[in-house]
Amino acid sequence: EPEVTQTPSHQVTQMGQEVILRCVPISNHLYFYWYRQILGQKVEFLVSFYNNEISEKSEIFDDQFSVERPDGSNFTLKIRSTKLEDSAMYFCASITGEAADTQYFGPGTRLTVL
Amino acid sequence: AQRVTQPEKLLSVFKGAPVELKCNYSYSGSPELFWYVQYSRQRLQLLLRHISRESIKGFTADLNKGETSFHLKKPFAQEEDSAMYYCALCRYGNNRLAFGKGNQVVVIP
Repeated sequence: EPEVTQTPSHQVTQMGQEVILRCVPISNHLYFYWYRQILGQKVEFLVSFYNNEISEKSEIFDDQFSVERPDGSNFTLKIRSTKLEDSAMYFCASITGEAADTQYFGPGTRLTVL
Repeated sequence: AQRVTQPEKLLSVFKGAPVELKCNYSYSGSPELFWYVQYSRQRLQLLLRHISRESIKGFTADLNKGETSFHLKKPFAQEEDSAMYYCALCRYGNNRLAFGKGNQVVVIP
């Protein structure tokens, strides 16, 4: 069964550095999402992406964040200048967009900002 | 704004005992409600959704619009049910999910 994949599984970075988290959605899916989960807190929506543009973003998704689908398969989340509070699990998800379909989640990337 | 509340953090039950995980939501429109499960070292996966009205792995959940609840139930817990369970909501026609904090379920043999 096809799955959403994410790389790396764990990323450690210094505060102020840029990080890029990568996701490969399921191939026939059209909508893509990033969520994050700070340790001990809820899974929170960051951004949704459709037709090569952001369709919705939360208040968390400020100017430090950007998303891109550079080559038709990868879907990336970039954090321009990481802060300590960006430490979290980041989940990618995708969906076909057809009625009654559900989101399929990747395994997550654990980001640790030191 | 959409909000999902799961009151208990950790639930320990004996094998064979009933399990009920509470989920309440606040949303003024037409919500779609889901339960997601995350087994140890695995990804979040859909357990069930209210529009399907299915029973998955013995679990059921009924949407009660009057009480704004979508509690998850299973009459007889199994050891393999030990996992994190998340209640989630989205607006009808919009797939952005709002999650509750999750319940850690531990089934004691």
